[in-house]
Amino acid sequence: SQTIHQWPATLVQPVGSPLSLECTVEGTSNPNLYWYRQAAGRGLQLLFYSVGIGQISSEVPQNLSASRPQDRQFILSSKKLLLSDSGFYLCAWARERGQPQHFGDGTRLSIL
Amino acid sequence: SQQGEEDPQALSIQEGENATMNCSYKTSINNLQWYRQNSGRGLVHLILIRSNEREKHSGRLRVTLDTSKKSSSLLITASRAADTASYFCATDAPGNQFYFGTGTSLTVIP
Repeated sequence: SQTIHQWPATLVQPVGSPLSLECTVEGTSNPNLYWYRQAAGRGLQLLFYSVGIGQISSEVPQNLSASRPQDRQFILSSKKLLLSDSGFYLCAWARERGQPQHFGDGTRLSIL
Repeated sequence: SQQGEEDPQALSIQEGENATMNCSYKTSINNLQWYRQNSGRGLVHLILIRSNEREKHSGRLRVTLDTSKKSSSLLITASRAADTASYFCATDAPGNQFYFGTGTSLTVIP
């Protein structure tokens, strides 16, 4: 069966510090991968998606970047965090676009 | 944007009652999906309904889709306290990725 791992679960970072969130998927190959951000009490905002290694599409301009160095690894990064980067970050995978997405348990990021 | 809007934003019912949530969207779709999110957790896929389908059932869940009105509804029958969560619709439209709505927060009172 397929599983998705996302870590860390909680992160507190100072403004201006770098960020690296990692997401890995097991039990499937060549998945579509997604990074979302969810503000408190709000819906999900798609940040990045990837259909293959090294292929990253960005949905909104921002202070963040994403990379997919391996087929089942998706990394969300920032060189310098802003206060507005606080939120709940969710990674998800799907067999192909339009198919059900399977989510990790998220990382709650607080910027101080 | 191709974003679903759920209605109501919040819903509180007694255990055993039915809960109905609605989703409206803006353009044509390939399919519409409903997800559930427990507080502080990731989303869990519940059901997918294709644009050529009008109704779908899964256990205590019933989803309807009206493409002429660009709307969908999720009915949870005989609700339980464990159904307390936020529910989101998501649309898959031609040429676009998924867009999630803002969600309905459901509270089921024991």
